[in-house]
Amino acid sequence: SYVLTQPPSVSVAPGQTARITCGGNNIGSKSVHWYQQKPGQAPVLVVYDDSDRPSGIPERFSGSNSGNTATLTISRVEAGDEADYYCQVWDSSSDHPEVVFGGGTKLTVL
Amino acid sequence: QVQLQESGPGLVKPSETLSLTCTVSGGSVSSGSYYWSWIRQPPGKGLEWIGYIYYSGSTNYNPSLKSRVTISVDTSKNQFSLKLSSVTAADTAVYYCARITMVQGVRWFDPWGQGTLVTVSS
Repeated sequence: SYVLTQPPSVSVAPGQTARITCGGNNIGSKSVHWYQQKPGQAPVLVVYDDSDRPSGIPERFSGSNSGNTATLTISRVEAGDEADYYCQVWDSSSDHPEVVFGGGTKLTVL
Repeated sequence: QVQLQESGPGLVKPSETLSLTCTVSGGSVSSGSYYWSWIRQPPGKGLEWIGYIYYSGSTNYNPSLKSRVTISVDTSKNQFSLKLSSVTAADTAVYYCARITMVQGVRWFDPWGQGTLVTVSS
């Protein structure tokens, strides 16, 4: 089965740029989606199809995907961005496509 | 704006069947543009996809749970449901329902319900 690897934690000072990676075999050939989950809340989609933003998501959130790594970039980080972030893809290697989530990355704003 | 709301018992005994319902408002489960899914999250852990259903009744399940999972849809009530049989403590989790949007073959989860905690304990 397909595996997505995320760093357990990333720390960044306010106003700086946070980069959260998501590794997978040839992940650049897949569409990657990113979800933000704040404590006690449901996940919220922040980037879909590698780099598109849903309405209402600040332009500070951006995504890229190439080779074996997808990256969620959060510019000008704010205290309110502190959350867990999950990447997600579909594994279509079998007859029935399966959903795969990364293990999640906890973003700490120092 | 579509909203999803989970409902069901918060406590289930080991070996019994967990049953949850997701009620959709502001949209229709009969829309051919979407799939409807269940996802869970054990306390302090990551997200695990359970399965999804299309309004026609077509389903797809996580292979690791497939033998115990049934997802169904009730278009008359604008709801879809989850049944997980033979539960153990390992099934204790927050259970989320979510809509899968599909555009030109690309699919993502949005929005999600608020989630409901189900504890398996005697």
